[in-house]
Amino acid sequence: GQNIDQPTEMTATEGAIVQINCTYQTSGFNGLFWYQQHAGEAPTFLSYNVLDGLEEKGRFSSFLSRSKGYSYLLLKELQMKDSASYLCAVRDREQTGANNLFFGTGTRLTVIP
Amino acid sequence: GAVVSQHPSWVICKSGTSVKIECRSLDFQATTMFWYRQFPKQSLMLMATSNEGSKATYEQGVEKDKFLINHASLTLSTLTVTSAHPEDSSFYICSASSGEGLEQYFGPGTRLTVT
Repeated sequence: GQNIDQPTEMTATEGAIVQINCTYQTSGFNGLFWYQQHAGEAPTFLSYNVLDGLEEKGRFSSFLSRSKGYSYLLLKELQMKDSASYLCAVRDREQTGANNLFFGTGTRLTVIP
Repeated sequence: GAVVSQHPSWVICKSGTSVKIECRSLDFQATTMFWYRQFPKQSLMLMATSNEGSKATYEQGVEKDKFLINHASLTLSTLTVTSAHPEDSSFYICSASSGEGLEQYFGPGTRLTVT
């Protein structure tokens, strides 16, 4: 099975940098996704990591260490609109559906002025 | 980009009735569609995976006779909540993928309230 852990809530200041961590345990790791979800809306794709290292995309970066079962999402130059839940999801090739995503509980980020 | 729509966006129904939710991929062919459920302040829980033209694969604990999934074409999947109860009230989200190993694109979600 999968065991995906994220902090439940975080608060950060506008203009600052915040790092949201995600640890996972899965038997057939086949990629890790980060999604942003505003309240009452569907998740939107932020990043995808399948190899170790850092993927940078504008203000958002995502890091993966497969040996440690660890990823983080880094948000720079925080804006008020970044207040949302951030979901870490893992794909497991040993599951019935190789495309299936298993989500963590999500981290609710609040950006304050 | 790939767009997935859901209809309706919200629905209120009485206990004991059935509700159908549609999920459509608007600009690509979705060989696989996924149905998720999300309760307030919780993350997405995968309910089932459906491939076009075949029976859906349900996750453990999800009643296949209660949550009927049909994936009749490469652009449409439907989820029917039969004999709905108040505890079925939730946010139902579908996603679609055009192939194995490829990204899932999420629909906007359907909020179901059963009274």
